[in-house]
Amino acid sequence: DAGVIQSPRHEVTEMGQEVTLRCKPISGHNSLFWYRQTMMRGLELLIYFNNNVPIDDSGMPEDRFSAKMPNASFSTLKIQPSEPRDSAVYFCASSLALGQVSSFGSGTRLTVV
Amino acid sequence: KNQVEQSPQSLIILEGKNCTLQCNYTVSPFSNLRWYKQDTGRGPVSLTIMTFSENTKSNGRYTATLDADTKQSSLHITASQLSDSASYICVVSSFSGYSTLTFGKGTMLLVSP
Repeated sequence: DAGVIQSPRHEVTEMGQEVTLRCKPISGHNSLFWYRQTMMRGLELLIYFNNNVPIDDSGMPEDRFSAKMPNASFSTLKIQPSEPRDSAVYFCASSLALGQVSSFGSGTRLTVV
Repeated sequence: KNQVEQSPQSLIILEGKNCTLQCNYTVSPFSNLRWYKQDTGRGPVSLTIMTFSENTKSNGRYTATLDADTKQSSLHITASQLSDSASYICVVSSFSGYSTLTFGKGTMLLVSP
């Protein structure tokens, strides 16, 4: 079992550019979560999907953020346009079902300059 | 408003010693409480998960307790090792139609030789 796979591991981009973060959940997991982690705010849930359908996106900070899950094995989190305050580590996690313990990926460290 | 408060913010202990981390929450309705360990540069890894009816759960040298009446949980680490140095995050799950997670900001533990 390869676990949750995120790419890229690190991303440095200029303000105003589009950023796309990618996630492959564990095979067979029906729920997928996107989180953002900063020193100031800790871990924050941005959005989660169940059976590829977005269930709660109330944590998405602004319209500049969007997430998709076109199939059970792939999800993207897009930021357009990116801003320096978006700099953070973004984690993807998956679980067998809602309410079950999640397995986290290694995260993508995003730096917007 | 749902909140999870953890204490202390950081802690330094000598290798071999025991320690206890605290988590107080105001989350309703309560579904379960989870403790995660996050090593530097890695995603969080689940240590324990407890439902309303469980008041203690162990995972090796880690023992979590839950008092649902006072809305408090603790994570006790026995005979600490250098590899226990990490951030420990308390997460409370609520379910009312769909799942909501509330995160503490974590306790940073450093085990010193």
